[in-house]
Amino acid sequence: AQKVTQAQTEISVVEKEDVTLDCVYETRDTTYYLFWYKQPPSGELVFLIRRNSFDEQNEISGRYSWNFQKSTSSFNFTITASQVVDSAVYFCALESGSSNTGKLIFGQGTTLQVKP
Amino acid sequence: EPEVTQTPSHQVTQMGQEVILRCVPISNHLYFYWYRQILGQKVEFLVSFYNNEISEKSEIFDDQFSVERPDGSNFTLKIRSTKLEDSAMYFCASSGPLLDTEAFFGQGTRLTVV
Repeated sequence: AQKVTQAQTEISVVEKEDVTLDCVYETRDTTYYLFWYKQPPSGELVFLIRRNSFDEQNEISGRYSWNFQKSTSSFNFTITASQVVDSAVYFCALESGSSNTGKLIFGQGTTLQVKP
Repeated sequence: EPEVTQTPSHQVTQMGQEVILRCVPISNHLYFYWYRQILGQKVEFLVSFYNNEISEKSEIFDDQFSVERPDGSNFTLKIRSTKLEDSAMYFCASSGPLLDTEAFFGQGTRLTVV
């Protein structure tokens, strides 16, 4: 069975703090893809990153970084020096490599509130 | 930058009525999706569509729902005989031209069934 768990329902930080959003996934596939999406208060889903299961290299994009560890089935997302504009719901998602349909399975989401 | 567009942004309908939600995917994409998000909950997969046919659908996507690509640009979700529990945000997404590429989502249509 495919599953994504985001155990943190809500996180509140003060601006400029670093924050890590956890994501744990379950799949029996050897090929799969992991994603993070941001949903700001306006409601749209904004693509942040896609990572395939064969690439465990950590990625950094500005203040964002992602730590992919297959040994613990985790794909955590860190925001460095958080800003008020980072306030949003963040979703981790999984795509099975064997589905051939592109279907995404989403976690429950983590609501991040960054206070000034 | 190309984007997925959805219309309308908000639709209010009476219970039992039919609604059609419309989407214009990114032009060179070949894979199309509908997802649903009930308020405050996670995003749930409804259906994927490729080569003019459904490639996968979830348990939610029962006979009440249908999808269509009536022309070269639009991708629609029809909900027949709407129920109160159909109230949700509906997202269209597209990816491609290859399968293993990221999906880009539209801004969503908020459907309210009264």
